[in-house]
Amino acid sequence: GEQVEQLPSSLIVQEGASVLINCSYTDSASVYFPWYKQEPGKRLQFIIDIRSNMERKQNQRLTLLFDKKTKHLSLHITATQPGDSAIYFCSANPLSGSFNKLTFGAGTRLAVCP
Amino acid sequence: ETAVFQTPNYHVTQVGNEVSFNCKQTLGHDTMYWYKQDSKKLLKIMFSYNNKQLIVNETVPRRFSPQSSDKAHLNLRIKSVEPEDSAVYLCASSLRGYEQYFGPGTRLTVL
Repeated sequence: GEQVEQLPSSLIVQEGASVLINCSYTDSASVYFPWYKQEPGKRLQFIIDIRSNMERKQNQRLTLLFDKKTKHLSLHITATQPGDSAIYFCSANPLSGSFNKLTFGAGTRLAVCP
Repeated sequence: ETAVFQTPNYHVTQVGNEVSFNCKQTLGHDTMYWYKQDSKKLLKIMFSYNNKQLIVNETVPRRFSPQSSDKAHLNLRIKSVEPEDSAVYLCASSLRGYEQYFGPGTRLTVL
């Protein structure tokens, strides 16, 4: 089945720094890649997504890059703030009805220090 | 308020008991999900359901079963809980598999 790997597993940065979170997947049937954020004590929240027919998507301080050939994604967060401290999850989804192939990475814990 | 609602927030029970968790969404979505999030925050999909089809992750033990009365409700029943079932159970909904909206979770502790 699908396997999603995220690196690094954790990051500590100073406020204002940029961070890069990498994600790779194995199943070429995956065509939709949403990312979620989980702040301490809060529910999982969608932050950005990309489909396999796109290479790049931006949402304010978030930029998501996708390479279909290498099955790799990277999430770039600029000008980090303490409020960005959370666990970030990459996921891969075939969208074809086989939702049991909907797979999340293990998460990247980001801590932004003021 | 449009959102995904889960009850209870917490549940503590003994090994072998049966438990049931409720989930309701008021977003008008057509697909609902149950996830298990363990103590390391790993997320594993257990079930997905839309008004046409229930899809079960084949790795989920048979003591777990989803129950749906309509597309806005998807409950989770666990017959005879075991210690490894201790986790946070997250309900989510989406439109046709896209962006998912999550509930706050139900934390289950099995003694």
